[in-house]
Amino acid sequence: DAGVIQSPRHEVTEMGQEVTLRCKPISGHNSLFWYRQTMMRGLELLIYFNNNVPIDDSGMPEDRFSAKMPNASFSTLKIQPSEPRDSAVYFCASSPGQNYGYTFGSGTRLTVV
Amino acid sequence: GEDVEQSLFLSVREGDSSVINCTYTDSSSTYLYWYKQEPGAGLQLLTYIFSNMDMKQDQRLTVLLNKKDKHLSLRIADTQTGDSAIYFCAETLLGFQKLVFGTGTRLLVSP
Repeated sequence: DAGVIQSPRHEVTEMGQEVTLRCKPISGHNSLFWYRQTMMRGLELLIYFNNNVPIDDSGMPEDRFSAKMPNASFSTLKIQPSEPRDSAVYFCASSPGQNYGYTFGSGTRLTVV
Repeated sequence: GEDVEQSLFLSVREGDSSVINCTYTDSSSTYLYWYKQEPGAGLQLLTYIFSNMDMKQDQRLTVLLNKKDKHLSLRIADTQTGDSAIYFCAETLLGFQKLVFGTGTRLLVSP
């Protein structure tokens, strides 16, 4: 198994541009999580899906952020328009069910200049 | 409420034991986890313990859980330089799937 796959690994963009982060969960995992990691705030849960349905998006910072999971093998996190304070490492993780723990991807390092 | 706290930094010599501590506030925690994050990488699940256990051993790793004090620790025996990383504890709450992570402890192992 290739694990959780995220793309791109690094993204540098200008303020105001749209950014799309991608995630492919492990096959058979029915839950998918998007986290953001910064020095100031640590790991923050942005949103998670169960069976492709968003369950909790209370961590999404504002309307500029949106996430979709059109099928069991793909999810996107979009920021439009991006701002410098969005600079962080964004992680995707998947899980086969409650209490099984998560498998994390390698993350996307986003820099907004 | 959800609050998981860890000390920020721990420094040990190679070959010594490391003990990383974590406290949590929610008594409905079901599973508690330890994750390791190496530079530039995602979080890797190291081990976990169910809340009705008080100890779990896995090779060089020993997890101790004091449910009364809501205190979790991870002991790494014979610490190696390759163990240098950030270690996160995390909990899941009864009825919820999301993990609540601590702030992370940066372990530095010197030769």
